[in-house]
Amino acid sequence: DVKVTQSSRYLVKRTGEKVFLECVQDMDHENMFWYRQDPGLGLRLIYFSYDVKMKEKGDIPEGYSVSREKKERFSLILESASTNQTSMYLCASNRGGLNTEAFFGQGTRLTVV
Amino acid sequence: DAKTTQPPSMDCAEGRAANLPCNHSTISGNEYVYWYRQIHSQGPQYIIHGLKNNETNEMASLIITEDRKSSTLILPHATLRDTAVYYCIVRGLVSEDKVIFGPGTSLSVIP
Repeated sequence: DVKVTQSSRYLVKRTGEKVFLECVQDMDHENMFWYRQDPGLGLRLIYFSYDVKMKEKGDIPEGYSVSREKKERFSLILESASTNQTSMYLCASNRGGLNTEAFFGQGTRLTVV
Repeated sequence: DAKTTQPPSMDCAEGRAANLPCNHSTISGNEYVYWYRQIHSQGPQYIIHGLKNNETNEMASLIITEDRKSSTLILPHATLRDTAVYYCIVRGLVSEDKVIFGPGTSLSVIP
């Protein structure tokens, strides 16, 4: 079974903390993605990586950075967490090309207090 | 990439076919139509995709009109577990490898 695994299902952090969300895929996929999902706003792409050490901004990159040192792992970093970053965060991966589906993790529900 | 339009919500009786429409009137020749769904509190799940021809797998059927301006996802015998938000996505040269979601259709399967 193909798998995208996110390190935490639920996370509570304090304002100003540096937060790391980790995602690992076991399918040798080139592409990995981070989304956030909020009620009424749907799924929005934060960052996208198409290769190791390569990244591209999505629609809402402000306040976030990413790291992809190994092909299977893609980390989302909140440099200084704020309450407006309380959200559901979803990681996904796929092979390169248009004729290929994406696989999603179960999500991390982050609460910043 | 072509923009998609879906009804915000639909109901379907359990055991009946659920037909979810998607309009993508500006689709171009090399753009694929993808369907995903998201059951509450879970990550999105891939269902099916197609380019020009109709497609069928163990989960659903995808009917793409001849002019490719619209498509229909068919769940042949809907169950309560099919209650979810269904997303129709067009992927092409602009989005490249990215998967960009719209608001989707919230399907409620009713006993």
